Amino acid sequence: SYVLTQPPSVSVAPGKTASVVCGGNEIGSYSVHWYQQKPGQAPLLVMSYDSDRPSGIPERFSGSNSGITATLTISRVEVGDEADYYCYVWDSNTNQGVFGGGTQLTVL
Amino acid sequence: QRHLLQSGGGVVQPGGSLRLSCVASGFKFYTHGMHWVRQAPGKGLEWVTFIRYDGIEKLYRDSVKGRFTVSRDSSQNTLFLQMNSLRTDDTGVYFCAKAASMATTPSDAFDVWGQGTEVTVS
Repeated sequence: SYVLTQPPSVSVAPGKTASVVCGGNEIGSYSVHWYQQKPGQAPLLVMSYDSDRPSGIPERFSGSNSGITATLTISRVEVGDEADYYCYVWDSNTNQGVFGGGTQLTVL
Repeated sequence: QRHLLQSGGGVVQPGGSLRLSCVASGFKFYTHGMHWVRQAPGKGLEWVTFIRYDGIEKLYRDSVKGRFTVSRDSSQNTLFLQMNSLRTDDTGVYFCAKAASMATTPSDAFDVWGQGTEVTVS
């Protein structure tokens, strides 16, 4: 089955740029969606189809996907961005959805 | 305002059954595929199942095949998850989620989520 690998944690200072990466075999050939989840809340879609930002998501959020790595980039990080971030793809080989293990973003 | 309201969780013994419901409002339920996603305590998100807008195509993760059944009733704008032969590793919070577009593909993003309902198998 397809595996997505994320670092367990990323730390960044307020105002700086955070990069949350998601690795997978030829992930560049998949459409990657990104979700933000704060404690006790349902996930929130923050990026779809690699780099499409949903309505209401700040322009500080951007995405890219190529080769073996997809990246969610958050510019000018704010305290309110502190959350768990999950990448997700649909594996058409097994016809199942696959989430990465999640990355906890800490704003120092 | 698009909204998904969940109900039906609880505590059940191993081998038991539970039925989860997810009532949709604020969008055309019958035109969108729907998913269930779960999260074990302290763990990450895990995709569970997908049902196409017309209820014809249903897809499941391997670990729930033959035990879980997804269904929908468009006359009631409701999504269901029937869970049988429950195991301790099915414990977690279950979320229903709406596919973002009216495409038939299951690969679409999830743009609306329910509040989650807790399932404990113990």
